[in-house]
Amino acid sequence: DAGITQSPRHKVTETGTPVTLRCHQTENHRYMYWYRQDPGHGLRLIHYSYGVKDTDKGEVSDGYSVSRSKTEDFLLTLESATSSQTSVYFCAIKGVRGLDGYTFGSGTRLTVV
Amino acid sequence: AQSVTQPDIHITVSEGASLELRCNYSYGATPYLFWYVQSPGQGLQLLLKYFSGDTLVQGIKGFEAEFKRSQSSFNLRKPSVHWSDAAEYFCAVGPNAGGTSYGKLTFGQGTILTVHP
Repeated sequence: DAGITQSPRHKVTETGTPVTLRCHQTENHRYMYWYRQDPGHGLRLIHYSYGVKDTDKGEVSDGYSVSRSKTEDFLLTLESATSSQTSVYFCAIKGVRGLDGYTFGSGTRLTVV
Repeated sequence: AQSVTQPDIHITVSEGASLELRCNYSYGATPYLFWYVQSPGQGLQLLLKYFSGDTLVQGIKGFEAEFKRSQSSFNLRKPSVHWSDAAEYFCAVGPNAGGTSYGKLTFGQGTILTVHP
């Protein structure tokens, strides 16, 4: 299996605090993505990266920022956490071929209280 | 814009019965199509994918899916369901070329499968 890890696996944080989630890959894949999963909404794209320092917004990017300073790491930051950002966050990686599907991390369950 | 609809939020079947999960997509050209499965508390695992050729594709765990261009559908099937198939299933659509799409996938809302003994 492709090497992709997310940290932390679980986090509880207070409203208004900044939070950073980390995605680390060992596959040297070009593309990396952050999704959030909420009941009834499936997975929604927050941000994605197509190379080092190359990132762009997805459909639900408000309140989130990302950084990718190395191929292997893609960080998601909640600038000031809100209760609406309580969710399960998944990172995914993908090779350059169109028919490559995603490989997902195990997810981070974030609770904002 | 691409979109995916999974009309069934929750499906219950008996163990040993056949299964069909529906997926309809909207896309400007022939897309790449995927089915993923998510067990509770886990990440998503790729079941199968379609990109061209034979419209019936085989996947892992005995699943198959059929691409029907005329109906914009990519339904997932299994002849005989096992209790271990209980999970949530996601259909996804993506671009069939690089361009500026950067391989982004759009997911359906998911279908939760419950299997009764």
